Amino acid sequence: EVQLVESGGGLVQPGGSLRLSCAASGFTFSSYSMHWVRQVPGKGLVWVSGINSDGSSTNYADSVKGRFTISRDNAKNTMYMQMNSLRAEDTAVYYCAPQRWEVPWGQGTLVTVSS
Amino acid sequence: QLVLTQSPSASASLGASVKFTCTLSSGHSSYAIAWHQQQPEKGPRYLMKLNSDGSHSKGDGIPDRFSGSSSGAERYLTISSLQSEDEADYYCQTWGTGAVFGGGTKLTVL
Repeated sequence: EVQLVESGGGLVQPGGSLRLSCAASGFTFSSYSMHWVRQVPGKGLVWVSGINSDGSSTNYADSVKGRFTISRDNAKNTMYMQMNSLRAEDTAVYYCAPQRWEVPWGQGTLVTVSS
Repeated sequence: QLVLTQSPSASASLGASVKFTCTLSSGHSSYAIAWHQQQPEKGPRYLMKLNSDGSHSKGDGIPDRFSGSSSGAERYLTISSLQSEDEADYYCQTWGTGAVFGGGTKLTVL
């Protein structure tokens, strides 16, 4: 079964840090670019960051550039997002997605940035 | 710039049909898209990939009531025989530098 499981979310104060993980199974993880997508409660889906299949190339939305770092470990079939200098506007559910048409969406992980 | 445009809301009666539109920005009319459904308080669910020629491939378990079509820069999702569980947000999405999403259409089933 193709599956993505996001974890690592939680409540953090403004300026704090979190590390999200995305564990993949059921498909050849190392063959796909991977992405993080977020959704502010009540709003739409927004792309955050992407990494190519071997981890040598990354890109970021302007809103997170310089604060978030995407990475992956193909041996562990896992992608990460290190989130630093968090702001209230980063509060959202974070989903991971492989760059393929049939996205096996997970349940996401909620990040809440609040004092 | 690659942009997908959707109407923010739609409504239709139980048992009726509804057609959603996703419009690709100028210069991108050949792009394929995907349609995703998001029911209240749930994660998104992949519905189908839709090509510029109207051919489409649906995800596992997606009912025949869901179909896709294309015309020029417009991509459509049609749901027939509407059921209460179809009340959800519907997003179109394509791939550029990253994932590009439309703003979503909220469907109310009357």
